Amino acid sequence: AQTVTQSQPEMSVQEAETVTLSCTYDTSESDYYLFWYKQPPSRQMILVIRQEAYKQQNATENRFSVNFQKAAKSFSLKISDSQLGDAAMYFCAYRSGSEYGNKLVFGAGTILRVKS
Amino acid sequence: KAGVTQTPRYLIKTRGQQVTLSCSPISGHRSVSWYQQTPGQGLQFLFEYFSETQRNKGNFPGRFSGRQFSNSRSEMNVSTLELGDSALYLCASSLGLAGTPYNEQFFGPGTRLTVL
Repeated sequence: AQTVTQSQPEMSVQEAETVTLSCTYDTSESDYYLFWYKQPPSRQMILVIRQEAYKQQNATENRFSVNFQKAAKSFSLKISDSQLGDAAMYFCAYRSGSEYGNKLVFGAGTILRVKS
Repeated sequence: KAGVTQTPRYLIKTRGQQVTLSCSPISGHRSVSWYQQTPGQGLQFLFEYFSETQRNKGNFPGRFSGRQFSNSRSEMNVSTLELGDSALYLCASSLGLAGTPYNEQFFGPGTRLTVL
């Protein structure tokens, strides 16, 4: 079974600075997807960024980028120019590329606090 | 386009009762997945329905069940409620098309269930 580990329960960052959230995962599959989801205090889960395992290039979405290290099974999220609206719980998630369906395996989450 | 809606948003039940939660996916989406979110266990996959058929199931007891209707709306039912069933229940919808390698999942706001 696949597992996802987020070792940082909580992180803080100063507004306008950069922060990196860590995620490692364990799988025997070669085809899979990795995601970062954001869950603000309002509780609506929002997709931040995704990475296909077969792509070597790291995904980027505006101020959000990932560092995908397939061999090390590491998938970190970098948030540049942090804003107050970035404060939320961030979840790393895994989805099999071979299993039929949309099952996501989530990490425990990292609470990100943004200081003004 | 309307997002994923879940009803009710809040629910209080007592041990031994049963409860039914509802999820209306985004128009055109045929896949609905359910997740349980608790402080202790985090986010755990319950099951996924696609075209009225359950196509994936997590490791939850048989007290947890679900179904999907022809309009893709889904319900989940929990019978004989236990204190440990207190959680935020999230549903997510996607196109879920067969053979498509990736379908983004859109989450609803969740139903907060409290069992007394």
